[in-house]
Formats: sequence, structure tokens, C-alpha cells
Amino acid sequence: EVQLVQSGGALVQPGGSLRLSCAASGFDVSDTYMSWIRQAPGKGLEWVAVIYIGGTTYYADSVKGRFTISRDGSNNTLYLQMNSLRDEDTALYFCAKEKDRWFDPWGQGSLVTVSS
Amino acid sequence: NFMLTQPHSVSGSPGETVTISCTGTGGSVASNYVHWYQQRPGSAPTTVLYEDDQRPSGVPDRFSGSIDISSNSASLTISGLKTEDEADYYCQSYHGSDHAVFGGGTQLAVL
Repeated sequence: EVQLVQSGGALVQPGGSLRLSCAASGFDVSDTYMSWIRQAPGKGLEWVAVIYIGGTTYYADSVKGRFTISRDGSNNTLYLQMNSLRDEDTALYFCAKEKDRWFDPWGQGSLVTVSS
Repeated sequence: NFMLTQPHSVSGSPGETVTISCTGTGGSVASNYVHWYQQRPGSAPTTVLYEDDQRPSGVPDRFSGSIDISSNSASLTISGLKTEDEADYYCQSYHGSDHAVFGGGTQLAVL
């Protein structure tokens, strides 16, 4: 079964850093496109970042220069390193496997709260 | 910038048919496929349609999709509404080849 299990959500102060993890099973994270998508409280979905099979990465303008998407094939895990966090980064963060530019499945979500 | 706009909310009674629109601005919805997700409260989104009108296994044929080039919009139609269909629905496509774009989401109420 293809599955994504997330960890790493927390309360962090503005300007702080946090790393989210997304452990995959049933497939190899290095053999597919993987994305992070977030959802602010009571709001809609916002795409955050993608990593391609070859390692190329792209980011939403709102996080470019502050967030880094990466993966580790040895433990089959996707990561999102978030630095210089702002209040507006508060959201539920989902990892997702891409299938021909649509997302399936999704992880269960990791809550990131940025507050002093 | 390419954007997808959805109505904030729609409603229908059990057994009725509802349609949720997803209108593109800053680009053509026909340039890339449109996909649709259902999100129930407290849960991650799940796919109800992919590539404009394709249903994943397990999604009933009450869910259908279409593209209207003249209005630059995609539509998700749910027929024979059931109370279990009450959820938020999001359309999604790609801007160019690198940035995924989501619509703002539509809250479906089954009254």
C-alpha cells in the first residue's frame, strides 16, 4: 500500500526554524515527483514546493529562499526545512506524491504554528 | 499569474445534482489538466477526479467532470447527492510546468 506518514509539526517562534518529515512506504520517493502543500487555518490549499526525480526543485514565491525541499532515498523520506518562519507560515502542512501532475496520496498533515 | 476561481459555497438536497465551477484567469484551463479533490473536516484531501474527467478507483460515477473552453472553466458535477458528499472541494492545475495552482475551494452543503 502506498502511504505517507508525516512528523515534525510544532510551535515555533517567529524567525525560528523547523524541519518536517514525510516517510513513504510502498514506493520510492526518489522515483517520483513529491510536493509539499499547506493549508492555513480556515483557508484553502496552497502549493509550497516540489522536488523532481532528477532533484530539481521549485518553490512558491511566498517561501522561496526560506524553505528547502529535499529527500533521503536511504530512509525513503521527504523533508521540508523551514527557516526564517513568519506568522503567515502558520498552517497544516501536507506532503503528497505526484501522479502525472496531480496529488495522490497525501500525508495526514503536520501542524506548524508560528507564534511568540 | 494563472489563478483558479471557485464559488465559495454551493448547496443541494439529497438526490439532486450540483455543479462546482473552476474558472481560470491569466491562462487557459485547457493548457493543463484540471484535477479535483474532496476534503472532509479534519482529513487530508482525496482525489475525486483527475485529468479533467477521470475517476480514481473507488470514486462513484455520480462524480463527473468537464472543461468548457469558451468560459475557460472546468466543472465538477455531483449527481444523486448524498449527505456523505458534504465537504470542501478544490480544483487544481499547473501554471506552466513548475507551479501547482489550487482554486480557493468550494464548501458543499447537503441540506
